[in-house]
Amino acid sequence: SFELTQPPSVSVSPGQTARISCSGERLAVQFVYWYQQKAGQAPEVVIYKDDKRPPGILERFSGSSSGTKATLTISAVQAEDEADYYCQSSDSSGTWVFGGGTKLTVL
Amino acid sequence: QGQLVQSGADVKKPGASVKVSCKASGYTFVSDDINWVRQAPGQGLEWMGWMNPNNGNTGYAQNFRGRITLTRDLSINTAYMELSSLTSQDTAVYYCAKSGEQGFDIWGQGTLVTVSS
Repeated sequence: SFELTQPPSVSVSPGQTARISCSGERLAVQFVYWYQQKAGQAPEVVIYKDDKRPPGILERFSGSSSGTKATLTISAVQAEDEADYYCQSSDSSGTWVFGGGTKLTVL
Repeated sequence: QGQLVQSGADVKKPGASVKVSCKASGYTFVSDDINWVRQAPGQGLEWMGWMNPNNGNTGYAQNFRGRITLTRDLSINTAYMELSSLTSQDTAVYYCAKSGEQGFDIWGQGTLVTVSS
């Protein structure tokens, strides 16, 4: 198995840019996916295959990945973006792993 | 778009087993894997395993091997997750999620399983 490491928390003021990192050796060879989970709800994918946005996800959400580190960037953060964010990746055997999650607080 | 609807909350005693169902609609059930993910109270997401509904093949996370069984019933487009030898550490919300090109793109609403004597 492998691990993905995220900061436990990130805080930003409304209108600023939030960046959430995810580190892991497998990210050098596997895609990363990002999920948003609001309180009491199921997670929702916001970025897939490193940098692609599913239909309906706002352009303020973007992703990048280089080497063993991936970043989820949320531009012009709004109160509604306050949530837990999880990165996810897989290994060649089909095993999936989630990062520990990052709580985004909008000040 | 598709939808996954899970069975309701359940309470089990330590040592018992639980079986959670996940009914698919709005897409071709056999086209994509069904995964199971759990979330203990106040904790993060933990992937448990996957199943290919087309052929029944499965893969399990190391932490659950020997205790988890994933099955399906094609006649009613439903996937099942059974977890045995429950302890209080298994108290969590259990989710099923379809994995496709866009990652885990459809999630069930979650099923709370409480293990208590």
